[in-house]
Amino acid sequence: DAGITQSPRYKITETGRQVTLMCHQTWSHSYMFWYRQDLGHGLRLIYYSAAADITDKGEVPDGYVVSRSKTENFPLTLESATRSQTSVYFCASSENRILYGYTFGSGTRLTVV
Amino acid sequence: DAKTTQPTSMDCAEGRAANLPCNHSTISGNEYVYWYRQIHSQGPQYIIHGLKNNETNEMASLIITEDRKSSTLILPHATLRDTAVYYCIVRGGYNTDKLIFGTGTRLQVFP
Repeated sequence: DAGITQSPRYKITETGRQVTLMCHQTWSHSYMFWYRQDLGHGLRLIYYSAAADITDKGEVPDGYVVSRSKTENFPLTLESATRSQTSVYFCASSENRILYGYTFGSGTRLTVV
Repeated sequence: DAKTTQPTSMDCAEGRAANLPCNHSTISGNEYVYWYRQIHSQGPQYIIHGLKNNETNEMASLIITEDRKSSTLILPHATLRDTAVYYCIVRGGYNTDKLIFGTGTRLQVFP
């Protein structure tokens, strides 16, 4: 199906474990983004990518790693999960950073215990 | 990027127009105004954006004042499904890839 998909939908992990959240889009959009959403903080940008092999930090990048070897995939890795990283994570993509809006995935709800 | 100010919450009767204001007094000439909404637990949804002219699409209209310091998103006939948090975002020119969300306006549409 065309669109942007995130997996898993829900994830519980333990403190200190590495966990990877997946994001896949079928449009070949150049731009992809990762946001986290927490009560009291709204949506905050973690990392973004303008094209394959080009990534850059957002507002809250500490503790996260991204890669983009293929245009359609933009995985987000928590190298050593902490309880403060319990959040809802949204991936988004866009064909053009100005002329078009972003399309968001359905989110991954991550709980770190 | 210019900051935006929106009311925390608004109510609207079903079938009436919902007018959501946004102030962006520090907007610069090459910055666009974007509107998104987020229905509970879902990912944000793009609604509309504009630079200086008024814009309309199948979802909403965007009215930008002549001095560009404020804008209004209009949902012409609000339905219960329009209950959501609405975000007004200003993002600039050709040097900014990032879309930074504020706290938004919580719109409650009532029967």
